[in-house]
Amino acid sequence: EVQLVESGGGLVQPGGSLRLSCGASGFTFSSVWMSWVRQAPGKGLEWVANIKKDGSEKYYMDSVKGRFTISRDNARNSLYLQMNSLRVEDTAVYFCARYGVAGSGFDFDYWGQGTLVTVSS
Amino acid sequence: QSALTQPASVSGSPGQSITISCTGTSSDVGKYNFVSWYQQNPGKAPKLMIYEVNKRPSGVSNRFSGSKSGTAASLTISGLQAEDEADYYCCSYAGSTINYVFGTGTKVIVL
Repeated sequence: EVQLVESGGGLVQPGGSLRLSCGASGFTFSSVWMSWVRQAPGKGLEWVANIKKDGSEKYYMDSVKGRFTISRDNARNSLYLQMNSLRVEDTAVYFCARYGVAGSGFDFDYWGQGTLVTVSS
Repeated sequence: QSALTQPASVSGSPGQSITISCTGTSSDVGKYNFVSWYQQNPGKAPKLMIYEVNKRPSGVSNRFSGSKSGTAASLTISGLQAEDEADYYCCSYAGSTINYVFGTGTKVIVL
């Protein structure tokens, strides 16, 4: 059974940092792209970043470029999101999501339960 | 990149069919056949319902179907059931620079 479990969320002041983790199990982690998607309270889903199977390619939404870093450790079956210079508008539940494996892979077929990041003074 | 446009809510009675629209641009929905749909219940993770415009993942009811015409995609739920009441989001691949854009979300209400 595929499982994605996020951790690391919490309350942080504006300008602070936080590192999110996502532990994966039930599939060959090193064979799939992974993503982070966030959802502000009461709002819609927003793609944040993704990373290639071997970590050689990374992509970010414009508003987090230069502040967030996505990474992975295939030996530990883990995905990470280092978030620096956090802003109030980064407040959201952060989901890790697996790229779909049934088709060409341009969708997200499994999601974690999410971890809440609150940026507030 | 702006979010894809969806109606805020769509309602229907049990057994009826409803359709949720998702309007994008020539840079996302109109350019790629990589439109997916997600169902999200309150406080839960999204669940993939449709991928690549009209394909259903294993385990998803065949009451859910997807289509696309030009820059607009749609999700149809036939034989509406109480358990279908949830938020639904469309998503489109938008190229290597922007990557993915989600829709604004639609709340499905079963009357």
